[in-house]
Amino acid sequence: IQMTQSPSSLSASVGDRVTITCRASQSISTYLNWYQQKPGEVPNLLIYGASSLQSGVPSRFSGSGSGTDFTLTISSLQPEDFATYYCQQSYSTLYTFGQGTRLEIK
Amino acid sequence: EVQLVESGGGLVQPGGSLRLSCAASGFTFSSYSMNWVRQAPGKGLEWVAYITSTSGTIQYADSVKGRFTISRDKAKNSLYLQMNSLRAEDTAVYYCARDENTRVRGVEVVHSYYYMDVWGKGTTVTVSS
Repeated sequence: IQMTQSPSSLSASVGDRVTITCRASQSISTYLNWYQQKPGEVPNLLIYGASSLQSGVPSRFSGSGSGTDFTLTISSLQPEDFATYYCQQSYSTLYTFGQGTRLEIK
Repeated sequence: EVQLVESGGGLVQPGGSLRLSCAASGFTFSSYSMNWVRQAPGKGLEWVAYITSTSGTIQYADSVKGRFTISRDKAKNSLYLQMNSLRAEDTAVYYCARDENTRVRGVEVVHSYYYMDVWGKGTTVTVSS
């Protein structure tokens, strides 16, 4: 299952509302996870099951979608949110990640 | 504290072998499926291999199938990745990651969602002559 994210990179300002899209090559129901990775750090789980917020993750992060199209939304960007975001499907145990979306400060 | 610590990385020549280890602590290792995920320099995440808690199901990415072998030792609370016939494109940071699952009741069905919730800091593998 191929996962395609868009855009590949994005410039935004603190306080902006940002949406990142992930598309699967076939239907994966809601078996979609989102991770955040800051430079030099380990990936951190944000969202599982397309829309369930992982414990400890700020509520400004939200996820939606089902089937083949999914979105990650950050409602009001904070300085610590500038990072790379990855989607990952768990519909098949042959897991696959999207190529990543780099979120940069404008 | 729940923790995963990888080791065994290093510099190896093309065609060579390396065995990575991942030591788990702070949780019941034998109850969880586990993964290896890698990240080439400046690139994105690539899932490499998966093993269930009983080693009953093992999966590999096409890029490593036939060359890499994932295994685990319950007594040592450890996960392993034996890497043979290494290529330059295998150069990456290798992470082990715990595979957690949560059951969520939907409208008509109960979903069992799987996700990687705990990651080690990684070990670096460099394949070069």
